[in-house]
Amino acid sequence: SQQGEEDPQALSIQEGENATMNCSYKTSINNLQWYRQNSGRGLVHLILIRSNEREKHSGRLRVTLDTSKKSSSLLITASRAADTASYFCATRTGGSYIPTFGRGTSLIVHP
Amino acid sequence: DGGITQSPKYLFRKEGQNVTLSCEQNLNHDAMYWYRQDPGQGLRLIYYSQIVNDFQKGDIAEGYSVSREKKESFPLTVTSAQKNPTAFYLCASRGTGGFDTEAFFGQGTRLTVV
Repeated sequence: SQQGEEDPQALSIQEGENATMNCSYKTSINNLQWYRQNSGRGLVHLILIRSNEREKHSGRLRVTLDTSKKSSSLLITASRAADTASYFCATRTGGSYIPTFGRGTSLIVHP
Repeated sequence: DGGITQSPKYLFRKEGQNVTLSCEQNLNHDAMYWYRQDPGQGLRLIYYSQIVNDFQKGDIAEGYSVSREKKESFPLTVTSAQKNPTAFYLCASRGTGGFDTEAFFGQGTRLTVV
């Protein structure tokens, strides 16, 4: 299994601003996934990017992947108060895949 | 609706008691996982099962036990040997039909020792 490390640990922005969070990992991957967790709830899958992809979009989400730097970023554009949550990345390195998660980035969007 | 269900949502345990957390899925997933989350922390893997009748220890298995007698069910028992069990417990499942499979999570069980 491979653990991603999210950065920053906490992010506080105003509604309408963009939010960017990063994920770094240590070994080669097959894909990288981003999840969201609302307070006191389970995680929800947001988006997956494969190792041969560099950028992917889903609504207001934009994910980039730089395999040379072993890092990914998640951009939320035009943030809303409802985006307030913790965001986690998880990587797959092939073979038996056990989703592992870092401490996440806690995002607070102020109305 | 397909999904993964954890029960109960809140659970209180007295010192020295064993308690069992339920996790049921109707997604026909082979793999299931249990995680523990402490306040402000990430998820730590307790146990996982890739197939029925088989399970493996994760990073923090001490004081916990599991069973996987049915594909749909993966209960977690928190034993009295777990000295600090107060935490948020999350169960997840995942299909194993390809590389690009996501994990689906239950809504969690918050366990408190009283």
